[in-house]
Amino acid sequence: KNEVEQSPQNLTAQEGEFITINCSYSVGISALHWLQQHPGGGIVSLFMLSSGKKKHGRLIATINIQEKHSSLHITASHPRDSAVYICAVRSAGGTSYGKLTFGQGTILTVHP
Amino acid sequence: ETGVTQSPTHLIKTRGQQVTLRCSSQSGHNTVSWYQQALGQGPQFIFQYYREEENGRGNFPPRFSGLQFPNYSSELNVNALELDDSALYLCASRTGGKDTDTQYFGPGTRLTVL
Repeated sequence: KNEVEQSPQNLTAQEGEFITINCSYSVGISALHWLQQHPGGGIVSLFMLSSGKKKHGRLIATINIQEKHSSLHITASHPRDSAVYICAVRSAGGTSYGKLTFGQGTILTVHP
Repeated sequence: ETGVTQSPTHLIKTRGQQVTLRCSSQSGHNTVSWYQQALGQGPQFIFQYYREEENGRGNFPPRFSGLQFPNYSSELNVNALELDDSALYLCASRTGGKDTDTQYFGPGTRLTVL
């Protein structure tokens, strides 16, 4: 079992729909990142969370530290939101200091 | 635009060769990490440098090595290339050692080993 699990792996939506992507992790963390990766490789950091909830435009990210779970929500989805969304956690201490462990990513496709 | 650049963007090498990939971070970013992303997979942590010293390493063999320079640039060196080294190599930088610092990713170098 991977340390970071995302669901679903693939998600198809119609423009305007509300979207949720889930991330569960099994290790102690100091921070959780939600990242967006477009075809061609470039990764953009959307959120970094250590507790609670953050909102940026149509994106909302929440984290429940006790349940080791985070969600990324997209309201009023748009075709330009189509990308791979990746959850990554930063380990709390240990020998791999600073290591980010990534989920496998969720491929989101939003149709017009 | 993250302010982190990588070169080259694409590279083709043959098995057994050596390769050097470069990353240029924003001024003031003392911490740089390198990741390997195989096709269809999430990135895997290779190692991290803080103020020119390696201070974290993932499960990669010693033929993966790195350097960080005072001008906020860094290198990833891979010796004795293997076919499985074909991947997208990403560098990411942040200002310091705090776990809550934002991570800025470069666009990646796509390495193909034939």
